Amino acid sequence: DPKIIQKPKYLVAVTGSEKILICEQYLGHNAMYWYRQSAKKPLEFMFSYSYQKLMDNQTASSRFQPQSSKKNHLDLQITALKPDDSATYFCASSQEGISNERLFFGHGTKLSVL
Amino acid sequence: GDSVTQTEGLVTVTEGLPVKLNCTYQTTYLTIAFFWYVQYLNEAPQVLLKSSTDNKRTEHQGFHATLHKSSSSFHLQKSSAQLSDSALYYCALSGIGKLIFGLGTTLQVQP
Repeated sequence: DPKIIQKPKYLVAVTGSEKILICEQYLGHNAMYWYRQSAKKPLEFMFSYSYQKLMDNQTASSRFQPQSSKKNHLDLQITALKPDDSATYFCASSQEGISNERLFFGHGTKLSVL
Repeated sequence: GDSVTQTEGLVTVTEGLPVKLNCTYQTTYLTIAFFWYVQYLNEAPQVLLKSSTDNKRTEHQGFHATLHKSSSSFHLQKSSAQLSDSALYYCALSGIGKLIFGLGTTLQVQP
């Protein structure tokens, strides 16, 4: 059974629209992350949360807003979508969010912006 | 800045032969750990190996890697590749509360 659930698996959106990517983890972890994987680019760190507080933000655009309604939830709201936002977005978690911890990843949400 | 370099985008090897995936890095972090993640088709990335000790060999599922801080490398090797090893492999370094990944290397094992 997947321990990190991402919804939806595939998402098609039109330019200018807004979408929310859902992530729930059932590993009992206290830290959650968002990564993005675009064509010909590495898995790119976006955000990290620990105990529902933002720890690090490497996303330049304010169009990307993480939302943590519960300890085991970290959704990603993306507004004013652009074709360049097309990518696979991975949610991940770790025990405490400290250095040297292994991350556990979800299966990803593949977003296509037309 | 901190970065991980995987020079090969695609490595093709015949089943039963050895394979080596290269990984080098640049970092300013004092306390670091290194990982190899593997991503099978339509699956989530998962940890294959982890190491934070210089010159110590780490093994898992037939793969091994040794962190060499003197050469800033953490290459992944296997003595005999299997068809089931075909996947995307990421090298990553652990910074302050996040992982920094390389571009990934697709390993294709052919019969």
